Amino acid sequence: AQSVTQLDSQVPVFEEAPVELRCNYSSSVSVYLFWYVQYPNQGLQLLLKYLSGSTLVKGINGFEAEFNKSQTSFHLRKPSVHISDTAEYFCAVSRNSGNTPLVFGKGTRLSVIA
Amino acid sequence: EAGVTQSPTHLIKTRGQQATLRCSPISGHTSVYWYQQALGLGLQFLLWYDEGEERNRGNFPPRFSGRQFPNYSSELNVNALELEDSALYLCASKGGLAGPRGYNEQFFGPGTRLTVL
Repeated sequence: AQSVTQLDSQVPVFEEAPVELRCNYSSSVSVYLFWYVQYPNQGLQLLLKYLSGSTLVKGINGFEAEFNKSQTSFHLRKPSVHISDTAEYFCAVSRNSGNTPLVFGKGTRLSVIA
Repeated sequence: EAGVTQSPTHLIKTRGQQATLRCSPISGHTSVYWYQQALGLGLQFLLWYDEGEERNRGNFPPRFSGRQFPNYSSELNVNALELEDSALYLCASKGGLAGPRGYNEQFFGPGTRLTVL
């Protein structure tokens, strides 16, 4: 079975500052890794994904994440945040069979302060 | 192209009643996943339907059930509602043909907010 730990439940950051949202996973098999964003009263939107290959993955809205197999981590980063980045961010994992359900972390609430 | 749609947006029920939630996948998608997002518990997998069959279910009691219709839309039924069933229920759909490395993205709907009083 897979599990995901998001180490910070809330992250406040000033506008234009860099941010890192941390994610660690546990799995006995190879996995795919994802970051989703949820804006208030909306569903989930995929930010980026790691399937294989380059460990640095670039996503939408200027976000990127780095897969570190030895540390079983998949931290999300953005060099300069905007007020519009205020949202809930979820890290997720699935077995790399392509058809298994996603296992989510409990989420990190990013609050960008003007 | 229309995205995943869910209805109703909000649903208020009392304890012991039944709730029915509906999901219409993106055109051409054959798989539907249901997730529960309860306060403090994060997102948890409920059910997965593909080609009309239940393929997998999460760690939820049998009073959570559902089905998938021939047009690939899906229903989630929750019987004998309990207060802790109050949550946002998200539906996601996925295409049938695998993409690169056997992966297909799940696209999420806006959810149904179920409140049990």
